[in-house]
Amino acid sequence: KNQVEQSPQSLIILEGKNCTLQCNYTVSPFSNLRWYKQDTGRGPVSLTIMTFSENTKSNGRYTATLDADTKQSSLHITASQLSDSASYICVVIFSYAGNNRKLIWGLGTSLAVNP
Amino acid sequence: SAVISQKPSRDICQRGTSLTIQCQVDSQVTMMFWYRQQPGQSLTLIATANQGSEATYESGFVIDKFPISRPNLTFSTLTVSNMSPEDSSIYLCSVSSGSYNEQFFGPGTRLTVL
Repeated sequence: KNQVEQSPQSLIILEGKNCTLQCNYTVSPFSNLRWYKQDTGRGPVSLTIMTFSENTKSNGRYTATLDADTKQSSLHITASQLSDSASYICVVIFSYAGNNRKLIWGLGTSLAVNP
Repeated sequence: SAVISQKPSRDICQRGTSLTIQCQVDSQVTMMFWYRQQPGQSLTLIATANQGSEATYESGFVIDKFPISRPNLTFSTLTVSNMSPEDSSIYLCSVSSGSYNEQFFGPGTRLTVL
């Protein structure tokens, strides 16, 4: 069964600290993996998109890693800011029957950055 | 990237009534997607709306409950019909574009059914 599991479910850190969020998936065949940030009351915003051949990709203070062999991804946030408080969602896309794609969404990690 | 707006941003409705949510995109797109996000849950795809054809619904969602219109390449509506408290949720409009079919989301419509 295609699944995406994220950990931890929630996390509280102090401003300025680093943190790492985890995503494990069983989706196959794998097309690409995405991390989204969703602020409370807003739609998700894409942070990174990673293909099978990419091991790491950065977007400012966000760095995503991908291990396609172990089917794991992580999102590392450096020098956290109060505005990083949000839900971070891992999404894995798989392709089927030619050009069809399906998105499998994780439940997200709720991050709270405290002053 | 695509800029997406939704109306209304939120609404409180009575059981048994219907609400139509509008989604406007600032560029022409082939496919538009409607998602639901129930409290504490991740996003669930309701249907894919293609211009000029019937929407394609995911398992567990039917046209009678969630009729969709797609009159042109920049606009779509989702109606939540005969609402019950279980329909209380955030409804999100989305489009995909770019080489990786990156998805962009609207701000969502927060629906509360009493």
